[in-house]
Amino acid sequence: QKEVEQNSGPLSVPEGAIASLNCTYSDRGSQSFFWYRQYSGKSPELIMSIYSNGDKEDGRFTAQLNKASQYVSLLIRDSQPSDSATYLCAVTGWGGGFKTIFGAGTRLFVKA
Amino acid sequence: ETGVTQTPRHLVMGMTNKKSLKCEQHLGHNAMYWYKQSAKKPLELMFVYSLEERVENNSVPSRFSPECPNSSHLFLHLHTLQPEDSALYLCASSQDRAGISGGEQFFGPGTRLTVL
Repeated sequence: QKEVEQNSGPLSVPEGAIASLNCTYSDRGSQSFFWYRQYSGKSPELIMSIYSNGDKEDGRFTAQLNKASQYVSLLIRDSQPSDSATYLCAVTGWGGGFKTIFGAGTRLFVKA
Repeated sequence: ETGVTQTPRHLVMGMTNKKSLKCEQHLGHNAMYWYKQSAKKPLELMFVYSLEERVENNSVPSRFSPECPNSSHLFLHLHTLQPEDSALYLCASSQDRAGISGGEQFFGPGTRLTVL
C-alpha cells in the first residue's frame, strides 16, 4: 500500500467549474498535510497547508481534512486554465522518525 | 538572489564523469533536502540536513554523496552514475526539520540530469 495515494489523472474540468483533488494516506499518526502545485517543467510550490479536521479556505482554494477517514482534499473554485498543473499531496508525521511523504500527484487540466 | 537557487539547471554526463550539483537558500532556513523526481513517480527523498548535520539518508547509492558546508549551501556530488539516475534533482529548504514547518518546503528550480 502506498503511503500517500493520489489518482494520477488527468482530471479535466471546464473553466469556471470546481476541481476536486483527493488524497489518502496510510499513517494514522500523520500530523500535517500540504498541497503543492507543480507546473510542467517547474518545481513544486506550496499552496495550502492544513493541520486540523475540517475546511481551510484561501482565496479560490479550500483544503479539507478528515483524519478519521485518512483523507485530505483540495477544492479549486472557479477553475482557470492557469490552474492546469500537477497537484502534489504531502503528509508529515513521526512514524519511524519525522518524515514528509509526497504523493505522485494528480494532473489537472482546465479547458478554456 | 531570493528563495532557493540551484546550479546547473541542466547537466549531461557520461557514466565515468564526476560532477556536482549546487544548492543555495537565501531564506535563513535550518533544514535542506535533496529529492529525485522521475517521470510519473513520487518525489523521492534522498538526503536531509538539519543545522548542517545529515539526519536522513534514504538508502541512496554511494555514487551520490551530499555535502552541507553551512546552513545555506548544499551540494550533491555525483560519480559513476547509471542511465537510470537520469531525473530532475530538486533541492528544498524549510525553517526546521520537524514539526509543522518541516512540511512547508521551498523548492529550487531543479537540475535536469541526463546520464549517457
